[in-house]
Amino acid sequence: EIVLTQSPGTLSLSPGERASLSCRASQSVSANYLAWYQQKPGQAPRLLIYGASTRATGIPDRFSGSGSATDFTLTIGRLEPEDSAVYYCQQYGTSPPWTFGQGTKVEIK
Amino acid sequence: EVHLLESGGGLVQPGGSLRLSCAASGFTFSSYAMSWVRQAPGKGLEWVAGIITSGYEGYYADSVKGRFTISRDNSKNTLYLQMNTLRAEDTAVYYCADLYHLDSDSGSRTKSGFWGQGTLVTVSS
Repeated sequence: EIVLTQSPGTLSLSPGERASLSCRASQSVSANYLAWYQQKPGQAPRLLIYGASTRATGIPDRFSGSGSATDFTLTIGRLEPEDSAVYYCQQYGTSPPWTFGQGTKVEIK
Repeated sequence: EVHLLESGGGLVQPGGSLRLSCAASGFTFSSYAMSWVRQAPGKGLEWVAGIITSGYEGYYADSVKGRFTISRDNSKNTLYLQMNTLRAEDTAVYYCADLYHLDSDSGSRTKSGFWGQGTLVTVSS
C-alpha cells in the first residue's frame, strides 16, 4: 500500500503570498498518477490537478503541480481569500488501494 | 451536464446493512473506473473501494475488506456499494467519484473530477 504524507498540516498565509504544499509517497507512484483536490466545508472535493502537473478544466493558472515518483508539490501562486480550504493528494496508479493523503489546511489571514 | 447522484444512506444499527447507489449521467459511465470515498465527521477523505470499467474486480481499503462489496451495472449507469456488518466507525458521508479513465490518444490514466454530493450513513443504536 502506498502511504501519502502531506505537509504541513496547516498553512497560514496572507493574500498574494505563495503557498507550497507537499505530498510524499512511501513508494513510487506509477506514471506520476497523482491528483490534487480542494475541499471547502460542506462541499464535495474539487479536482485541481491530475497526472501530477495537468490542471483540470476551469482551474485558474495560479494552481500548479510538480514532482515525480515519491515527491509532489501543489503550488498556489498568489493566494486569494477563496483559496481557504483543505487540500488533498491522491494516487490513482496501478497499485490499489488508491489512497488519499491526510490533507493540508490552508488558512488566509 | 455530468451528474452523480448517491442514494441509500440513512441510520442503521451496528451490525446492520445498507446498499448505496450512485446514478450517473452526462458521461460514458462504462468507460470510467469508479470509486467510493467517505468522510467521517470532521475528518479527511478516505478511499473505500474502487472498480474497473468491466466490473470484474473490486478493490478495497483494509478497513472495509470482507464487509463491503462494490459493483456496477453499466446498462443502468449505476454504481453500488453493499455495506454489511456496519460499525460505528463507518459513520460518514459517502461519495461516489470517478477514479480514472483512459485517454483515447495516449492510453494513459486521466481524471475528470466527477463527484456526487454525498449521502450520509450513520451507524448507531
